[in-house]
Amino acid sequence: DVKVTQSSRYLVKRTGEKVFLECVQDMDHENMFWYRQDPGLGLRLIYFSYDVKMKEKGDIPEGYSVSREKKERFSLILESASTNQTSMYLCASSYSGPSYNEQFFGPGTRLTVL
Amino acid sequence: AQRVTQPEKLLSVFKGAPVELKCNYSYSGSPELFWYVQYSRQRLQLLLRHISRESIKGFTADLNKGETSFHLKKPFAQEEDSAMYYCALSAYTGRRALTFGSGTRLQVQP
Repeated sequence: DVKVTQSSRYLVKRTGEKVFLECVQDMDHENMFWYRQDPGLGLRLIYFSYDVKMKEKGDIPEGYSVSREKKERFSLILESASTNQTSMYLCASSYSGPSYNEQFFGPGTRLTVL
Repeated sequence: AQRVTQPEKLLSVFKGAPVELKCNYSYSGSPELFWYVQYSRQRLQLLLRHISRESIKGFTADLNKGETSFHLKKPFAQEEDSAMYYCALSAYTGRRALTFGSGTRLQVQP
C-alpha cells in the first residue's frame, strides 16, 4: 500500500517566516510533486522532481523553492511566507516510465500565514 | 500549453438521478486524461483514466477527441458519490506532472 505522508496537517506561520513542508513516500517512486489547492482554482503545480537533487519549476514557482536530497523525501520551502501563500499544499509521488503512472497523494498540509 | 476546464463548480442531484460532470481540455498533442476524486476528509485519489476504459464505482468517462472532452458519467447517483471531482491531463512529452481543472463539487441529495 503506497504511503505518502506530510509532516503537518495544519500549520500557522507569520508573514516573513521561513517555512518548511516535508513529504515522504515509501514506494521508491522516482517522481515527486508539490501542488497547491485553492477553491475555484483546482490544483496548481509548484515544483516537481524526477530524481534526487533534480527539480523543475511548475506553473507557480514564485516564492517557493524545493529540496530533494534523498529519493523518499521532497521538501517545499517558503523563503519568506506571505499571506497569499495561505493554502492547502499537496504532495504526490509516482513511478517514472514511458507512459503515465498514477500519482499518489499525501493528506495535505493546510498552511495559514498571518 | 495544456489547459483543463470544468465549467461547473457545483452539481447537485437527487439520489438515483443520472450524473454528468463536464471536462474539456486543450492540448495540441495526444493527451492522457484522468478523473481524480476527493471524498470528505480523505486524500485525493485516482478514480479512472481513459486508457483503461474501465467502469469504477459505476462511473465511466469516454475521451472524445473531436470535442476535446472527457465527461464523467454515472447513470444512478448514490449519496456516497458526494465529493470533489477533478479532471486532469498528462502530456506524453515533457514533464510527468498533471494539469488539473478547477474541480466540480458533486452533492447527491437523499
